[in-house]
Amino acid sequence: EAGVVQSPRYKIIEKKQPVAFWCNPISGHNTLYWYRQNLGQGPELLIRYENEEAVDDSQLPKDRFSAERLKGVDSTLKIQPAELGDSAVYLCASSLSGRVGQETQYFGPGTRLLVL
Amino acid sequence: GIQVEQSPPDLILQEGANSTLRCNFSDSVNNLQWFHQNPWGQLINLFYIPSGTKQNGRLSATTVATERYSLLYISSSQTTDSGVYFCAVAYGNNRLAFGKGNQVVVIP
Repeated sequence: EAGVVQSPRYKIIEKKQPVAFWCNPISGHNTLYWYRQNLGQGPELLIRYENEEAVDDSQLPKDRFSAERLKGVDSTLKIQPAELGDSAVYLCASSLSGRVGQETQYFGPGTRLLVL
Repeated sequence: GIQVEQSPPDLILQEGANSTLRCNFSDSVNNLQWFHQNPWGQLINLFYIPSGTKQNGRLSATTVATERYSLLYISSSQTTDSGVYFCAVAYGNNRLAFGKGNQVVVIP
């Protein structure tokens, strides 16, 4: 069974440019998460989807970040415009349902973003 | 929000040695998980352990929820154990809060 797929794996852009990350969760997983991991830190939740609905987006910087999960499967996270402080690893994870902490979240390999 | 502290932050082990990693958390939690992030960045769930003790091969974990800590034991360490170990706690608003991790390097 394929795991969580993310692309691209690496991205280097100049500040003020837009960037987008794509995630394909494990088949049958209803819940999808986007996390940001800064250097030397643990992952921090940006947004959680239950099917197509964003049920927790309170930590998403909505002035420049947006996300969508059309048809409740794949998801895209966008930053526009990117700032230097956005350099980080963006991780996507999925789980069967939204019972956070009661079931395993499966993580993708992440997208490493460097903003110059 | 809830605070999750892990110690030691960095650890160098000789292959074959044993070690203990600790996770302290500041409030009551619904659950606790341990993850391993390998040098290529992949996060893998190791244990889902709200209380008690679990073992998986050379790894075992113990959580004492009433005293708000968890321990991860690595026995007979191997170079493939290198990476960052994260403790993550599930709390009130249905989120996972991660600690800063324990960076482990196992040398041959």
